[in-house]
Amino acid sequence: AQRVTQPEKLLSVFKGAPVELKCNYSYSGSPELFWYVQYSRQRLQLLLRHISRESIKGFTADLNKGETSFHLKKPFAQEEDSAMYYCALSGPGAQKLVFGQGTRLTINP
Amino acid sequence: DAGVTQSPTHLIKTRGQQVTLRCSPKSGHDTVSWYQQALGQGPQFIFQYYEEEERQRGNFPDRFSGHQFPNYSSELNVNALLLGDSALYLCASSSPKQVDYGYTFGSGTRLTVV
Repeated sequence: AQRVTQPEKLLSVFKGAPVELKCNYSYSGSPELFWYVQYSRQRLQLLLRHISRESIKGFTADLNKGETSFHLKKPFAQEEDSAMYYCALSGPGAQKLVFGQGTRLTINP
Repeated sequence: DAGVTQSPTHLIKTRGQQVTLRCSPKSGHDTVSWYQQALGQGPQFIFQYYEEEERQRGNFPDRFSGHQFPNYSSELNVNALLLGDSALYLCASSSPKQVDYGYTFGSGTRLTVV
């Protein structure tokens, strides 16, 4: 079964503190992993994907196949990072996205 | 480039009615996927259209149907609406032909069934 679990519905940290949003997945094979973000009153947009291995807005995510995790990290949170974050996976070849329930991140000043 | 456009933005329907939602994909994209996002949940995959055919389908009843037109735009139809169909319906476009494909989402249609 394909499943994405984000154990934290809400996460609140202070500006300048490190942030880690957890994501665990279940998939038979080698999935593609994504993090999507939705800022207030904006559409869902891609933040990063594991095959790109790039850092976007200071966020990084490492795929750990042993632990089947794809946690999103940022060393120093900024107020503009407040948003809803969704972890998602898909099979190869532009297959459907399977989303987690999302984590609402709030950065306190 | 307007990206993915969806219409209407909001809709109120009565239980038992039928509804049609529309999506125009991003320029250069030929694949359209539909998702249902209930309040407080992540988006759930409904189905995907490519070359005017349904290529994949999620765990949704036959009341949910769709269509893709030659210009790649798509419609989502829901028959015999239930209160539980109230949700945000998202359209996402992509192109598997692109080496670094990605999904671009529309702003969604908020459907309320009363």
